[in-house]
Amino acid sequence: AQKVTQAQTEISVVEKEDVTLDCVYETRDTTYYLFWYKQPPSGELVFLIRRNSFDEQNEISGRYSWNFQKSTSSFNFTITASQVVDSAVYFCALTEADSNYQLIWGAGTKLIIKP
Amino acid sequence: DAGVIQSPRHEVTEMGQEVTLRCKPISGHNSLFWYRQTMMRGLELLIYFNNNVPIDDSGMPEDRFSAKMPNASFSTLKIQPSEPRDSAVYFCASSPHIITGTPNTEAFFGQGTRLTVV
Repeated sequence: AQKVTQAQTEISVVEKEDVTLDCVYETRDTTYYLFWYKQPPSGELVFLIRRNSFDEQNEISGRYSWNFQKSTSSFNFTITASQVVDSAVYFCALTEADSNYQLIWGAGTKLIIKP
Repeated sequence: DAGVIQSPRHEVTEMGQEVTLRCKPISGHNSLFWYRQTMMRGLELLIYFNNNVPIDDSGMPEDRFSAKMPNASFSTLKIQPSEPRDSAVYFCASSPHIITGTPNTEAFFGQGTRLTVV
């Protein structure tokens, strides 16, 4: 069974629109960590955020915000007032004790922001 | 710090040739990872090192793949002989934390090496 599901393969929006990228995870561990990474067209992977399973507070960083809900096993990522530079593939990932804390990756969501 | 440095950025080679990918982790980081990214399989962990020691190489696809970390500032991933299905982007990443018993915090990735085997 897939442990990290990013059901949206590709999303296309017009600049300045808000967009939410979904991430649903599966784990039996009580201690786990969730991550978002960005992969712009240049190819590198850029760390965005890490959350631990005991901290359900939502986080905001500029135009980026993350909504962690244990009840639905989701860790969604919202970009407000999107910009063309936000165009990238975004990966959600999980680490858990059962997997020796190795990163378990979602398939990624390709986000296209049109001017 | 310049971040994780990988070389070459692009490599095109003929089937059967040996390929060596190189990685310089961020200074002071204890853990180093090699990942492979393909459209079909996404991101796969190949192997990781803690303090230069290989910990888990269960992700290495075949005996044709080998990785070394002779010192804290350098690692190689070698494919011999290479095959067209090895074509992918190979990422090296480093983390300031040792994996065993502690959670993997943020890993810092290099820009990747795009390998094409023809």
